[in-house]
Amino acid sequence: EVQLVESGGVLVQPGGSLRLSCAASGFTFSSFEMNWVRQAPGKSPEWVSYISSSGTKILYSDSVRGRFTISRDNAKNSLYLQMNGLRAEDTAVYYCARDPGGLQLSFDYWGQGTLVTVSS
Amino acid sequence: SYELTQAPSVSVSPGQTARITCSGDALPKKYAYWYQQKSGQAPVLVISEDIKRPSGIPERFSGSNSGTVATLTISGAQVEDEADYYCWSTDISGNYGAFGGGTKLTVL
Repeated sequence: EVQLVESGGVLVQPGGSLRLSCAASGFTFSSFEMNWVRQAPGKSPEWVSYISSSGTKILYSDSVRGRFTISRDNAKNSLYLQMNGLRAEDTAVYYCARDPGGLQLSFDYWGQGTLVTVSS
Repeated sequence: SYELTQAPSVSVSPGQTARITCSGDALPKKYAYWYQQKSGQAPVLVISEDIKRPSGIPERFSGSNSGTVATLTISGAQVEDEADYYCWSTDISGNYGAFGGGTKLTVL
């Protein structure tokens, strides 16, 4: 059974930093591309970042480029999101989502999410 | 950026057919994916690559794509299908994607 478990979400002040983690199990993590997707309260989901299976290809949405960094450790079956320069508009539930590796970026399994709140 | 447009709400009676549409400029060349999200839960993939139904998704869920409009059809909608439904696709480059604004399906 595919499992994705996010952690690291907390209350942080504007301008602060945070590192989210996602622990993967139930599939060969090193063979799959991965994504972070976030959802602000009452809003539709927003794709944040993508990383290829080897980590050599990385993409970011315009809203986080230059502030967030995605990475992975295939030996630890883990995905990460380093978030710097946090803003109030970054407040959201952050989901780790597996990419099935089809013809375009997409998501087949999601974790339950971790809540990041940016507020003073 | 890229935008996908969905109607905010659709309402049907149990057993009726619900159709939820998603429009986007790149849809003639890119696949649409559909996600179901029930209150307090993570999204679940119900249709991939325009028309494919993942394992475990009921047969009443189907998808189509005709040019710039993709459609999720729920034939014989059930009360348990009440949820928010989001379409997802990418721009022509494939390096940037977007979710639609979501459609709230009410079955009553």
